[in-house]
This record gives sequence, C-alpha cells and structure tokens, in this order.
Amino acid sequence: DAGVIQSPRHEVTEMGQEVTLRCKPISGHDYLFWYRQTMMRGLELLIYFNNNVPIDDSGMPEDRFSAKMPNASFSTLKIQPSEPRDSAVYFCASSPRTGVSGANVLTFGAGSRLTVL
Amino acid sequence: QKEVEQNSGPLSVPEGAIASLNCTYSDRGSQSFFWYRQYSGKSPELIMFIYSNGDKEDGRFTAQLNKASQYVSLLIRDSQPSDSATYLCAVNRLDGNEKLTFGTGTRLTIIP
Repeated sequence: DAGVIQSPRHEVTEMGQEVTLRCKPISGHDYLFWYRQTMMRGLELLIYFNNNVPIDDSGMPEDRFSAKMPNASFSTLKIQPSEPRDSAVYFCASSPRTGVSGANVLTFGAGSRLTVL
Repeated sequence: QKEVEQNSGPLSVPEGAIASLNCTYSDRGSQSFFWYRQYSGKSPELIMFIYSNGDKEDGRFTAQLNKASQYVSLLIRDSQPSDSATYLCAVNRLDGNEKLTFGTGTRLTIIP
C-alpha cells in the first residue's frame, strides 16, 4: 500500500486566495482525520470522518475552513479566503475500523506545508 | 490547562543510556494512550499504545501508565542516535468519539 497520500506537499499563496488540500487515505480504512500542526499549538484535530460522514468538526477554526469526503478514497480541506495565520503543516491521517479495544492507530500522510503571505 | 502536557525539551541523553519521556493529561475520562515519534520535517508515526495501568514493553521501548496520577511515560533503553526526534503523547476517551488529542511533544537528542 502506498500509504496516505497528500497533495500538494508545499503551497505558497497570498492572503485572500483559496487553498485546497487533498488526501487519499489507505484503502479499507474507515476513518479519516485532518490535523494542523504549528510550533505554538502542536497537532490540532480539525475534523474527522467515519465512512465518509463528518463526525466531529469542532476543531475547524471558522467558516473559512471546510472539508469534504465525497467517497472512500478522497477528501479535501479547503480554506477560503486564506490568511497568514493559516500557515501550518496540514496532515491527513487514516485508521481502520476500531476494534473492541478501541485502538485508534493513525497512519499519517507526509503533510502539506502551507504558507500564506 | 492543556489537555495533554509534555515538557518541550530539548532532552539530551548520551548514547546507550535510558531516555525517559513524560506526559500528563487532564481528562480523567481518557482511556487509551499513544506515543508517536516525529522526525524533523516528517509525519508522526506510531511507536506504541497502552490502555492498562502498569508497563507495556515493545523491544527497546516501554510505556508506563498511571491513571490515578494521570501520567504516562515512555522509556527508551539503549538509546541510539536514530532515536533523536520529537515524541508526541496522545490520548483518547474511547467514548465513541475517535478524537485523538496530542501534546506538543518533547524533542529528544541522543548524543553519540
């Protein structure tokens, strides 16, 4: 398996522009997570999906952020309009159906480094 | 108070010694605990997880959990330069919400 695939790896844009980040989870994984990582705040969960349905979006900072998962093999995170404070590394992660023990073993993608000027 | 707290470091340990990484959490409902390793510029990767109080060993790694004290630690025996990375602690409530809450990590440097 190629693992979790994210694109683009790097994005530099100007304030006010729309940014779309993409993620392909590992085949067969039921859960998909979007995290944001900054030096100050560490890894923060933005939203997660179970079987393509958004379950918890309480971490989405504001209405400028939106995420979709139209099918089991693709998800997008969109920021419109982007602001300099959105600069961060955005990670997508997926995990298989949790068992009785509830193990939540995440496999992360390589991340998308976003810089908003 | 942060939900998951870790000393940011850097923690410097001589090669071959034991590295001890600590993590405290505020939510008493937390039930599962994870240690991830993140090399500079890379993504986090799972080292191990623990649910029950006590120790769990996996190779050179030992996770220790004390729910009464809300404390979880990771010991790395026979530390190697390749262990130099940031170690992230994460917790989950196992209440049906799959949210994994991470600490900000401890940067570990193994000195040859």
